[in-house]
Amino acid sequence: GQQLNQSPQSMFIQEGEDVSMNCTSSSIFNTWLWYKQDPGEGPVLLIALYKAGELTSNGRLTAQFGITRKDSFLNISASIPSDVGIYFCAGPRTGNQFYFGTGTSLTVIP
Amino acid sequence: GAGVSQSPSNKVTEKGKDVELRCDPISGHTALYWYRQRLGQGLEFLIYFQGNSAPDKSGLPSDRFSAERTGESVSTLTIQRTQQEDSAVYLCASSYLLGRPNTEAFFGQGTRLTVV
Repeated sequence: GQQLNQSPQSMFIQEGEDVSMNCTSSSIFNTWLWYKQDPGEGPVLLIALYKAGELTSNGRLTAQFGITRKDSFLNISASIPSDVGIYFCAGPRTGNQFYFGTGTSLTVIP
Repeated sequence: GAGVSQSPSNKVTEKGKDVELRCDPISGHTALYWYRQRLGQGLEFLIYFQGNSAPDKSGLPSDRFSAERTGESVSTLTIQRTQQEDSAVYLCASSYLLGRPNTEAFFGQGTRLTVV
């Protein structure tokens, strides 16, 4: 079945560092979504991208919709302890369902 | 309500018993999804309801799992004869009908199921 591959699988960084993660697919998506999941909670939508090449920011978060429509990137600047969690990319396929990436686990060391 | 609501938030059950998990989607959302998340793992698709179409049950792991949805409202996920391997967080999400522009999925907080 459809799979979105995320990398890296996990990251351990120092507070204040910037973070970069990506998501790739073998199929084209018309929408890319980035979610964050805190421990014990459901995933929460961070950023939504709707157009190839689009670059969107939400505070310290910046995400880009790849030109090929088969990838997306999420960057977090000046990381803080509350950025800890699992980050998922996702995309809907018309008439089907949402496909989720394998997740990137982020640990921020104070 | 304002968001996706799931109940119960936690459920501990004995092996072999049946359990029923409930999801109230966001009002107006015609699509509803169930996912399973084992500890430290990603999201495993279970089932998808879209409007009045037949549900996509391709992710259900066994015939012990079933789900129903009444119209465009509440959905229940039923696990019969629970096994310890069923222990996980069960997440529900809803969205507008796929194919509509700018569709996004919103999640509930999940039901943590523990089978002892």
